[in-house]
Amino acid sequence: DQQVKQNSPSLSVQEGRISILNCDYTNSMFDYFLWYKKYPAEGPTFLISISSIKDKNEDGRFTVFLNKSAKHLSLHIVPSQPGDSAVYFCAASGWIYNQGGKLIFGQGTELSVKP
Amino acid sequence: SQTIHQWPATLVQPVGSPLSLECTVEGTSNPNLYWYRQAAGRGLQLLFYSVGIGQISSEVPQNLSASRPQDRQFILSSKKLLLSDSGFYLCAWSRKGIHGYTFGSGTRLTVV
Repeated sequence: DQQVKQNSPSLSVQEGRISILNCDYTNSMFDYFLWYKKYPAEGPTFLISISSIKDKNEDGRFTVFLNKSAKHLSLHIVPSQPGDSAVYFCAASGWIYNQGGKLIFGQGTELSVKP
Repeated sequence: SQTIHQWPATLVQPVGSPLSLECTVEGTSNPNLYWYRQAAGRGLQLLFYSVGIGQISSEVPQNLSASRPQDRQFILSSKKLLLSDSGFYLCAWSRKGIHGYTFGSGTRLTVV
């Protein structure tokens, strides 16, 4: 049972354009969502997060949007840069749902930004 | 500042051999600790998590086990490795009451 889904395994974008990565979840008990970025042979690093009480969070070139009714979130990167090329993981957490704060990850989307 | 150490970085082991991967966290106390695996072309699968010494929760049935002998030490083990155990293993920690993890640098395990 995949509770967090990233249906696009890969995305290719031209440098300077917008990258939009999507994520869907099924469990309504999730109340916090995060995006992680991962380079090959390295551990994921935290990128940006959003609480379920908000519908948007922005940090520089990165913006995360949350649509609770649709159980959907997206990560926008604008403008995209070649250094953004990596695998992006969406993750969800819910204190009531799972004690210990464990994160449930999606399958990841590999972003390629072409110069 | 807090740091997480995971070793070795790469490991090649024959089928049927034992496994021990170690993870330690510095600069914090009583962390939540996690082991994840990323199989080739797959996402991050939670294997084990621990909220305290000796407290281990297993997420999926498998050929692996985990132990937490000290507050900031988390060990992933197997008595006999299978080919399907190959993958990229990641340790992570989080503070209690705080969302989000910090990951280690990972171990690439190849079972041959």
